[in-house]
Formats: sequence, C-alpha cells, structure tokens
Amino acid sequence: GAVVSQHPSWVICKSGTSVKIECRSLDFQATTMFWYRQFPKQSLMLMATSNEGSKATYEQGVEKDKFLINHASLTLSTLTVTSAHPEDSSFYICSASNRQNYGYTFGSGTRLTVV
Amino acid sequence: EDKVVQSPLSLVVHEGDTVTLNCSYEVTNFRSLLWYKQEKKAPTFLFMLTSSGIEKKSGRLSSILDKKELFSILNITATQTGDSAVYLCAVDAGSEKLVFGKGTKLTVNP
Repeated sequence: GAVVSQHPSWVICKSGTSVKIECRSLDFQATTMFWYRQFPKQSLMLMATSNEGSKATYEQGVEKDKFLINHASLTLSTLTVTSAHPEDSSFYICSASNRQNYGYTFGSGTRLTVV
Repeated sequence: EDKVVQSPLSLVVHEGDTVTLNCSYEVTNFRSLLWYKQEKKAPTFLFMLTSSGIEKKSGRLSSILDKKELFSILNITATQTGDSAVYLCAVDAGSEKLVFGKGTKLTVNP
C-alpha cells in the first residue's frame, strides 16, 4: 500500500516551453503533497506544499508563477514548469503523507532536461 | 532556521564492515526523524523515529534517536555492495514539512 506514482519519469524540452509533471497517490487519499527539487549530488529541497482544493504554499525563493501547482483532487497534484530554462533542469520529486502509518511516500521522480 | 546536518558526507568501506551514519538537527517544532535510502531515483523509507532511546531495527539496519542531544544514528552491519546509496536524514518540523540533510554517500566495495 501507500504508492505514489509520478509521471513522466524523464522529459526533455526546449527552452521557453512548459512541462507538466503529475503526482498521483494510487491507494490512499493525500490532502497534502510536497514537491521537491534535487540538484546533482545535493539533497532534496522542498519547493512547495500542495494543498487539495486550495493554493499551494511556496518556500522562500521559489517563484510561484514559474512553478505552477494544482491539487484538484485528493489523489492528484501537478507541477507545471512554465517557460522552462536550462537552469530548471533538475530532478523533481513529489511525496505524499500517508496517514495510515504516518509515513511519507515518494514518487519515483522526474528528470527534467531543458535544452 | 530549521537545520539537519549529516556526517560524514561520504564514506567508502569494504563488504562486511559496519558503518554508523550520523544526523544532528536543530528544529523549532520536532515531530519525528526519518531515514531514507536513495539509489538512482526517489528515496525509499527506512525508519521513522519519534521517541528517544528506542532502537528500530530492520535486518542489518538499525537506528536510534536521542532527543536530548538532538541526533540520530543509522547503523548498518555486515555491509553489502547493495547497501551503496545515499542515506538521507529528514526531520518532520511540523506542518508535515520535511527538512532534509545533505545525505551521506555510502560506497561499499567488494
């Protein structure tokens, strides 16, 4: 149980285009999901907290107009990287709080490369 | 500012060795401490610790928390090459937000 599916697992896009990443909780409801970014050889940095039915809460320094988060249902949150630039290339991971065992389940991550 | 510090940042051992990974933290609202193993993709959950002095064990891995001294250790005994990974320590600092350390990269050589 407690599976989080993230899609796509990798994507290459051109500068200036937008990319949408989906995060789904498959067998539990997640009122809150989290989006992280990880640069090579570095740890996970929380970008934003996605709240079902309301606006996301962004961490300091994260541009909310660039990283659009939508959490329209209890099982789906999306992160859209708008007008992507090469410096947005990174590994993006979502996670959801699984209240059944008070654990956090991570998606498999999305490797974004902007060329 | 909430902070999680892991040491060492990297470690190279031989199969069969025992390793201890350290995690210290400073957070204003501690709820729990979690250990994850990250190989090529997303982290996989190892342990969640909430109480001091109670060791959690899973096979060759074990972990314990000291809430007075604000640290935790992760022990791996009889290491295997498959243990090679980055081990992440994270603290739930309230509001379900996890603060991660930079990780310890463990390399186990045959």
